[in-house]
Amino acid sequence: NAGVTQTPKFQVLKTGQSMTLQCAQDMNHEYMSWYRQDPGMGLRLIHYSVGAGITDQGEVPNGYNVSRSTTEDFPLRLLSAAPSQTSVYFCASRAYRGTSFPNEQFFGPGTRLTVL
Amino acid sequence: KNEVEQSPQNLTAQEGEFITINCSYSVGISALHWLQQHPGGGIVSLFMLSSGKKKHGRLIATINIQEKHSSLHITASHPRDSAVYICAATNFGNEKLTFGTGTRLTIIP
Repeated sequence: NAGVTQTPKFQVLKTGQSMTLQCAQDMNHEYMSWYRQDPGMGLRLIHYSVGAGITDQGEVPNGYNVSRSTTEDFPLRLLSAAPSQTSVYFCASRAYRGTSFPNEQFFGPGTRLTVL
Repeated sequence: KNEVEQSPQNLTAQEGEFITINCSYSVGISALHWLQQHPGGGIVSLFMLSSGKKKHGRLIATINIQEKHSSLHITASHPRDSAVYICAATNFGNEKLTFGTGTRLTIIP
């Protein structure tokens, strides 16, 4: 199993450009999420999904869109990049069996994004 | 105040020392996670626990539900243990993770 994969690993954008960060997992996990990691702060949830066709906002959703058309893929779209979106982005997945049964999270390798 | 607090923020120790990293949380949780992140690297799950104690090699994680406190211990520390260790809590009810800001551990040979 490849686990959770993310592309690209590095990206530089200009303010106003758009792009999509790709995330895929081959573990048949229902729950997928996107986090951003900034210096001095804990990882913060951007968007998450509990299954194909179902997405919801996290703590810091503004400026980002997601969709979940398949179990495997969960792309994150930056609509109009801003310097405040300079960060390291992590995709994660886990099995989901309801609120009484948490499961181990698996993280992708991260995407380092710089917006100029 | 962050819902998940870690201490210390930075820790430097000599090879072979016993290491303890602490995590306190203020939310109701269904599980507590310890994660490891090497410089420039990805994030790896070390432990997920909801009670008691777990051990994997030289790493031990404990949790005290009543005191809302968890510790990560490393015995016979080694330079390859140098990394950022992150505590995270699965919130009871919505299963979302709340993360601490991490403890940067440096082991000197």
